[in-house]
Amino acid sequence: GQNIDQPTEMTATEGAIVQINCTYQTSGFNGLFWYQQHAGEAPTFLSYNVLDGLEEKGRFSSFLSRSKGYSYLLLKELQMKDSASYLCAVENGGSQGNLIFGKGTKLSVKP
Amino acid sequence: DTAVSQTPKYLVTQMGNDKSIKCEQNLGHDTMYWYKQDSKKFLKIMFSYNNKELIINETVPNRFSPKSPDKAHLNLHINSLELGDSAVYFCASSRGTMSADTQYFGPGTRLTVL
Repeated sequence: GQNIDQPTEMTATEGAIVQINCTYQTSGFNGLFWYQQHAGEAPTFLSYNVLDGLEEKGRFSSFLSRSKGYSYLLLKELQMKDSASYLCAVENGGSQGNLIFGKGTKLSVKP
Repeated sequence: DTAVSQTPKYLVTQMGNDKSIKCEQNLGHDTMYWYKQDSKKFLKIMFSYNNKELIINETVPNRFSPKSPDKAHLNLHINSLELGDSAVYFCASSRGTMSADTQYFGPGTRLTVL
């Protein structure tokens, strides 16, 4: 079966660092995506990992360990506008382009 | 210019009706998708087309029929609407189906079936 787990909700303080974890068990693996979705809006692309290690992009970094079926999204210097849902998605090896999404982590950033 | 656009943004209709949602992308992408996001915000792929050919068809009732007149458009027609069809439907597109081809999402269509 296909399973992607993320915490449902997280709260953090403006200026702090937060780590959102994602674990997955899928029949195949062609890479892992992180998307950001503000309430009432479309998901927007944040990062892609296919090799083990850390990918850094400004205030956001994403880490992948394929052997552990684990990824995390790290957000630094949190801003109020970072309040959103963060979706972890695995590209299933069977069908390229077939993204399997987790249920998302709703992050609330407080002053 | 909007990269991926959908119409309508909101759709309220009665059970049993037939409705369509239109999607267009001006990114020159070859692949387009339809996703359903339910009330619990769970985003799930329904269909994928590459150059007007169906490549992904998840377990979706036959009442849902995608149509791709050209590679810039992927419309979704739904027959005999049911209460459980109420959700937000997102169209997306990507350059191709290679790994790491980022999918770009449209603004969504909120469908409410009464």
